[in-house]
Amino acid sequence: QQPVQSPQAVILREGEDAVINCSSSKALYSVHWYRQKHGEAPVFLMILLKGGEQKGHDKISASFNEKKQQSSLYLTASQLSYSGTYFCGTEDSGYSTLTFGKGTMLLVSP
Amino acid sequence: NAGVTQTPKFRILKIGQSMTLQCTQDMNHNYMYWYRQDPGMGLKLIYYSVGAGITDKGEVPNGYNVSRSTTEDFPLRLELAAPSQTSVYFCASSYPRDASYGYTFGSGTRLTVV
Repeated sequence: QQPVQSPQAVILREGEDAVINCSSSKALYSVHWYRQKHGEAPVFLMILLKGGEQKGHDKISASFNEKKQQSSLYLTASQLSYSGTYFCGTEDSGYSTLTFGKGTMLLVSP
Repeated sequence: NAGVTQTPKFRILKIGQSMTLQCTQDMNHNYMYWYRQDPGMGLKLIYYSVGAGITDKGEVPNGYNVSRSTTEDFPLRLELAAPSQTSVYFCASSYPRDASYGYTFGSGTRLTVV
């Protein structure tokens, strides 16, 4: 089952914050987050493991609520370089493959 | 260190033609994957491999075949191309149980079937 991402699109001004959510109807082992710029390949941002802690680097962080099977990606003080489409990928066991959501398009304007 | 290399970058096929999309990785990753990406649909898994000689179907395998004779290479074969196979194809690799790096994707192959 494909995870559900929300919102579908976000438009921000530089310096504003955004939250992107990813929900699954299945119990999850991990959640991955990727960013894809137009015409390029997806690039890995971070992974949240079941039982793990909230992660982050620079001004991008994420959390994983195991009870709700939901992950959230937090982008603070957004920069122009944050523009792109963000995908979550979910894994339901330690040796399974990723199922990706449909993506959230983020546009940061000056 | 090149990562994951895909060729070709672009290709136009006529209906009924066949072709092989090439994928090579130099990171000694055991796991390799083929995804297709259609506008607004995310990435759908076509086939994957957990090691040389082992392959398995993903969510959308019909019309495709794969082989994995070496750790480095994971080609995707399209037989009897159809317009529904027009898409962007991404190859990816990962190291199992490595929670640090996630999937590494190739730059993609944009395929149009006319």
